[in-house]
Amino acid sequence: DADVTQTPRNRITKTGKRIMLECSQTKGHDRMYWYRQDPGLGLRLIYYSFDVKDINKGEISDGYSVSRQAQAKFSLSLESAIPNQTALYFCATSDTTRAQGTQYFGPGTRLLVL
Amino acid sequence: KQEVTQIPAALSVPEGENLVLNCSFTDSAIYNLQWFRQDPGKGLTSLLLIQSSQREQTSGRLNASLDKSSGRSTLYIAASQPGDSATYLCAVIETSGSRLTFGEGTQLTVNP
Repeated sequence: DADVTQTPRNRITKTGKRIMLECSQTKGHDRMYWYRQDPGLGLRLIYYSFDVKDINKGEISDGYSVSRQAQAKFSLSLESAIPNQTALYFCATSDTTRAQGTQYFGPGTRLLVL
Repeated sequence: KQEVTQIPAALSVPEGENLVLNCSFTDSAIYNLQWFRQDPGKGLTSLLLIQSSQREQTSGRLNASLDKSSGRSTLYIAASQPGDSATYLCAVIETSGSRLTFGEGTQLTVNP
């Protein structure tokens, strides 16, 4: 079984709709991250969380919100989707106790906003 | 603001060739540097991580080097194989140990 899972894997939605992307991990890591990947722009950090009570904005947080429901779950919400939020979204985890900071990525969610 | 650049953007080589992928970063105050592989439609797989105090890491046919003072890292792939075809991403972690900043990647094609 995969250590970091994302649901859904693919999603098509319309402008203005609310959508939630979910991430779960079985690695027991305390830190979780959401990134988006766009052609020509690489991966950019949206939000990150060091533990259940700690949420931080990344470089492109506008238009997004997150919820850390438990150590193992980190959800990303688009309150009112717009076409330029079409992208590939990745969740990642890392472990504070392992000082190297290696991040482990989920398989990604491909989102299309029409 | 940290910026990471990867050159070349795309590379095509015949099977068996040794090759080098380049990564440069603008702020040398990094915690570590990580190389990833991404296959089409798939997530990222971590290949190598070099801590800021290290100069290189090796895993099988892969060798990654780090020169923090000059803001450069290279990924050396020996005896390339068609299965190495993928996009290779370089990312640096800030001194805080939290934020990964990615380059745009090098798309590698190894031809049989």
